[in-house]
Amino acid sequence: ETGVTQSPTHLIKTRGQQVTLRCSSQSGHNTVSWYQQALGQGPQFIFQYYREEENGRGNFPPRFSGLQFPNYSSELNVNALELDDSALYLCASSSGTPASSGANVLTFGAGSRLTVL
Amino acid sequence: SQKIEQNSEALNIQEGKTATLTCNYTNYSPAYLQWYRQDPGRGPVFLLLIRENEKEKRKERLKVTFDTTLKQSLFHITASQPADSATYLCARAPDPSGNTPLVFGKGTRLSVIA
Repeated sequence: ETGVTQSPTHLIKTRGQQVTLRCSSQSGHNTVSWYQQALGQGPQFIFQYYREEENGRGNFPPRFSGLQFPNYSSELNVNALELDDSALYLCASSSGTPASSGANVLTFGAGSRLTVL
Repeated sequence: SQKIEQNSEALNIQEGKTATLTCNYTNYSPAYLQWYRQDPGRGPVFLLLIRENEKEKRKERLKVTFDTTLKQSLFHITASQPADSATYLCARAPDPSGNTPLVFGKGTRLSVIA
């Protein structure tokens, strides 16, 4: 059983650029959630995808967008990068339905470390 | 808004002692609380889940309690070891229907000193 894999592991961008981060969910998991974690902070929820539809969004602007594919892998896109977007971006997959989210255990990837200069 | 807070940013303890980490929440009690461990530069790893009707949950040297009166969960590591040094995160589902994702606290960084 493979876990959650994310790519790239590290990347450096400049302000105004666009970035795409990728995530392969754990086998058997149908829900993918994305979190942003700044240094010294807890993970902040960006959005969640269930069966290829966005199912819940945190307090992030529209320039943060995503996709989920039929194989349940996912992408996070960020346009017009700002310095404050520098963070560790975590992808997590889970099974079950969003209605039972409190009981759904998240399996996280190792994250993509984004630095915006 | 629903909040979840971990009071201590950092906790240092001697090897062999019991580490106790605190997680407090506001407003309504979530149906579930979860605890995760995160090592530097890695994603969080699930440790334990406790339901609101459970007072206590154990897994090897780990114990979690859930007090809906105090709106608090305690996370204990007994006979702590240097390998237990990590950041520990608690998480809750903020919506009564459960149809919203997990919200995490800032975490407590535990250092176990040999």
